[in-house]
Amino acid sequence: DAKTTQPNSMESNEEEPVHLPCNHSTISGTDYIHWYRQLPSQGPEYVIHGLTSNVNNRMASLAIAEDRKSSTLILHRATLRDAAVYYCILEWAYNQGGKLIFGQGTELSVKP
Amino acid sequence: GAVVSQHPSWVICKSGTSVKIECRSLDFQATTMFWYRQFPKQSLMLMATSNEGSKATYEQGVEKDKFLINHASLTLSTLTVTSAHPEDSSFYICSARTAVMNQPQHFGDGTRLSIL
Repeated sequence: DAKTTQPNSMESNEEEPVHLPCNHSTISGTDYIHWYRQLPSQGPEYVIHGLTSNVNNRMASLAIAEDRKSSTLILHRATLRDAAVYYCILEWAYNQGGKLIFGQGTELSVKP
Repeated sequence: GAVVSQHPSWVICKSGTSVKIECRSLDFQATTMFWYRQFPKQSLMLMATSNEGSKATYEQGVEKDKFLINHASLTLSTLTVTSAHPEDSSFYICSARTAVMNQPQHFGDGTRLSIL
């Protein structure tokens, strides 16, 4: 399985944008990039995913490098509820039923 | 959005007891369900993948006789921890997805299992 590398932790101020980086230098052409987040004592929550083009949804934006070896999850205005562990995961297009292998993720703290 | 319900959310039981955890997809047909385990301050570890009507596929190092998985319908999967011991205490999380590839998985809120 292709690996991802994320910083262990990041800090942000409330109301400011947050850019969460993810390196995936061994990504293959058919790997999708998924982002999930996990609040304390809860199951993970889907945030966004993409293949090649940048993606936007109501929660966040995903910026994918042209060579696809890295991506950035962008939270446009951080709130206290965005404090969570954010996981960047690669999913092979034809992976056995689409299993996700979680890395350590980035723990985001948001200061008021 | 899609909802996955996991029950119970918390269970405490004595060593040697078997514990069953249910995972239900409430508003979609889950052709594939996954079971994860998470220890404090650690990431999720995939335990097994189950497809409706088939035997579960376990990840390396996960004892299939210890963690029994049943996926009898498109909306329900169960994980039974047999003869549980204190080292089985953990946060167990299920997720579900449809047959459409590269779509998000939907996660339950987890079950905290404490074995005394």
